[in-house]
Amino acid sequence: NAGVTQTPKFQVLKTGQSMTLQCAQDMNHEYMSWYRQDPGMGLRLIHYSVGAGITDQGEVPNGYNVSRSTTEDFPLRLLSAAPSQTSVYFCASTQAGTDTQYFGPGTRLTVL
Amino acid sequence: GQQLNQSPQSMFIQEGEDVSMNCTSSSIFNTWLWYKQDPGEGPVLLIALYKAGELTSNGRLTAQFGITRKDSFLNISASIPSDVGIYFCAGQLKEWEETSGSRLTFGEGTQLTVNP
Repeated sequence: NAGVTQTPKFQVLKTGQSMTLQCAQDMNHEYMSWYRQDPGMGLRLIHYSVGAGITDQGEVPNGYNVSRSTTEDFPLRLLSAAPSQTSVYFCASTQAGTDTQYFGPGTRLTVL
Repeated sequence: GQQLNQSPQSMFIQEGEDVSMNCTSSSIFNTWLWYKQDPGEGPVLLIALYKAGELTSNGRLTAQFGITRKDSFLNISASIPSDVGIYFCAGQLKEWEETSGSRLTFGEGTQLTVNP
């Protein structure tokens, strides 16, 4: 199993550009989440999903969209990137009934 | 916003020393988790705690779930250079228990440096 994979690893955008951060897991986990990590602030939940077709907002959802058309994939979309979205983004998956979140390697995003 | 206060923010210790860090919250948590993050990687789960008062060990690591369910600590004994990294506490709020594991609140992290 590859676990949780994220692409790309690094990305530089200009203000106003859009892009999609990809996340996939091959463990058949029901739950998936997106976090952003900023210095001194830990990880903050952006959006999460408890199953295909179901998504909900986390702590900092503004400026981000998600969808969950399959169990395996949970892409995060930035519709119009802003410098405040410069961060490291982590995707995680969890098997229902457990609390162990498996994290991907992260995407480092810079918005100029 | 953040509901977990983690301290200290950073620690610089000598190899062989013991380390202690803790997290406190104004809210009651059902579950406390401790993660470690190495540079350039995602966090990895170290210890999970599910019951108030629970004391759990994983090798040189020991963590406890506070009796009030509003705090937890992590101890590392006899530190070694590979213990370097950022340690995060995380908790699942009681009202999120139906979405177990999908919605966690994280502390700000403790940056640990171990000098050989």
